[in-house]
Amino acid sequence: QSVLTQPPSVSAAPGQKVSIPCSGGSSNIGNSYVSWYQQLPGTAPKLLIYDNNKRPSGIPDRFSGSKSGTSATLGITGLQTGDEADYYCGTWDSSLSAFVFGTGTKVTVL
Amino acid sequence: QLQLQESGPGLVTPSETLSLTCTVSGGSIRSDSSYYWGWIRQPPGKGLEWIGNIHHNGITSYNTSLESRATISVDTSNNQFSLELTSVTAADTAVYYCARMIVTAIYKDYFDFWGQGALVTVSS
Repeated sequence: QSVLTQPPSVSAAPGQKVSIPCSGGSSNIGNSYVSWYQQLPGTAPKLLIYDNNKRPSGIPDRFSGSKSGTSATLGITGLQTGDEADYYCGTWDSSLSAFVFGTGTKVTVL
Repeated sequence: QLQLQESGPGLVTPSETLSLTCTVSGGSIRSDSSYYWGWIRQPPGKGLEWIGNIHHNGITSYNTSLESRATISVDTSNNQFSLELTSVTAADTAVYYCARMIVTAIYKDYFDFWGQGALVTVSS
């Protein structure tokens, strides 16, 4: 059971916006930086956001990250069919001395 | 462009040892002190689980949930790092990914490059 909780699924129509929350605690999100990963069907995870809100080169600005207290959020605007994937948050947990991933959220484009 | 490639047996017998190697190309394992090299696994239909990391100087960290069954080693001369997981059971069946972790400060880390993954099935 992960210490980072995400909703199992979110959905929206093409062109709309979705927000994916990642809820943690004081030993993880509360004192660590959050990263987000996109996993398209049958492929390896890909880094989308690091250091809470930074995008690697090549990631469109439709993807954004934010953090407040012990929660983080991934936002996707202008939703496209190619965004259908599983999304995971991740961070270091100082109590567990381990990198932890969220439970994962499946994004469906209606 | 950095590339990582997992290799190893796709089938392991219960109670035996799972062994995987990750070959890094397009960059050196030793090129930066902020680079750590990690293993992550994903059981079929489930989420991601961090197994552990190693630095090129040999310092390791592991997920304690694996109860000391995991060992990660590095071979800098061949630009590879490896995972051994002992006493495997069906619960260890998963896609195993190797990845590079960037650590820029305490509690400031992320995985930026991933291998394509290797499915390992534990079955007799």
